[in-house]
Amino acid sequence: EDQVTQSPEALRLQEGESSSLNCSYTVSGLRGLFWYRQDPGKGPEFLFTLYSAGEEKEKERLKATLTKKESFLHITAPKPEDSATYLCAAPRYSGAGSYQLTFGKGTKLSVIP
Amino acid sequence: NAGVTQTPKFRILKIGQSMTLQCAQDMNHNYMYWYRQDPGMGLKLIYYSVGAGITDKGEVPNGYNVSRSTTEDFPLRLELAAPSQTSVYFCASTRTRDSYQPQHFGDGTRLSIL
Repeated sequence: EDQVTQSPEALRLQEGESSSLNCSYTVSGLRGLFWYRQDPGKGPEFLFTLYSAGEEKEKERLKATLTKKESFLHITAPKPEDSATYLCAAPRYSGAGSYQLTFGKGTKLSVIP
Repeated sequence: NAGVTQTPKFRILKIGQSMTLQCAQDMNHNYMYWYRQDPGMGLKLIYYSVGAGITDKGEVPNGYNVSRSTTEDFPLRLELAAPSQTSVYFCASTRTRDSYQPQHFGDGTRLSIL
């Protein structure tokens, strides 16, 4: 069964304290992996697409990496405005050339001033 | 640049009532999706559509119906509301069926069934 597992469930950081979020997956024949940010009361906001193992993407204080079994979202010197829930999702083939996303449960990040 | 627009933002229903959650996108995307998000759970796919007139079931379709008469709109219908359908519902769209295309989400409809 295709699964996406995120850890930790929640993470509290002091402002400026760097850390990493983990996303492990068991989707067969991986065709990309997505990271989203979700603020309270809002829909998921797209951050990154990672296409293949070894790829890295960066945006401001965030860097996403991908291996054959997992992905990491590294947060360098976080600020309070980085507080959000971060979601990981992997596409799985659903037939007729279409793909459906399997989402992890998310990591809730709180950055304390 | 509206993107994906969902209405209403909040709704309270009584058990057995019916309602339609509206979703519209202005990006000319062919592929549209409905998800539900329950506390502590990942997003679960309810229904999806690959174009006007074509819909298919996702992971948790029971108790819901959809239609797609235009490219822009993809309404989700609850016929007989049950407490188990209390959730936050998200609509999403993407331009193509390419697995690398990200889905773009609306801000959700928060639905309570009492």
